[in-house]
Amino acid sequence: VLTQSPSASASLGASVRLTCTLTSRHSSYAIAWLQQQPEKGPRYLMKLNSDGSHTKGDGIPDRFSASSSGAERYLTISSLQSEDEAVYYCQTWGIGIHWVFGGGTKLTVL
Amino acid sequence: EVQLVESGGGLVKPGGSLGLSCAASGFTFNSYTMNWVRQAPGKGLEWVASISPTNSYIYYADSVKGRFTISRDNAKTSLYLQMNSLRAEDTAVYYCARDGGDAFDMWGQGTMVTVSS
Repeated sequence: VLTQSPSASASLGASVRLTCTLTSRHSSYAIAWLQQQPEKGPRYLMKLNSDGSHTKGDGIPDRFSASSSGAERYLTISSLQSEDEAVYYCQTWGIGIHWVFGGGTKLTVL
Repeated sequence: EVQLVESGGGLVKPGGSLGLSCAASGFTFNSYTMNWVRQAPGKGLEWVASISPTNSYIYYADSVKGRFTISRDNAKTSLYLQMNSLRAEDTAVYYCARDGGDAFDMWGQGTMVTVSS
């Protein structure tokens, strides 16, 4: 249902865009982006709707933004910092009665 | 402070049982659906079970149905997961997570469950 690239990398201070792709039959679904830093529990970043509107969680920096195009959902992180090195998951809901997670993208900050 | 704190993890033999707890604080616990999510070593996230605020609905992943039981005590602002007939493939970090209306908007730090002889 949700496909993510296994890995991504970008330099300190640069920007990176991560992608979560929904299957075509679910292309109108909203998703959420989660961040999991090493040895920590996941952290909710934001909810992203199919029209690109998004609602951030409490305390999420402005460096984190999101957008949508068709079945693709994007997370853009600008001015990359070392603490942004983490695994980023997308999550969706309402497919059957269950909640579904993507496989995660491991972001390396160079 | 708004937080979820899991406890109860440990080492258990295949076929054994274990109970997990999640203590919630800083929000109106009885207004939220709560969930258990697990993460096998080096793997991604897997939803396990969900319970509505007044137990009106309870759902399980197929992988744990019939073996795991989710419950809650709103007076104690706590969530529980009773795990029976444990298998090696149940080895994972178990997280409790709050359903913010669609996505899981609050997570605990997790508790490790290892099923091994």
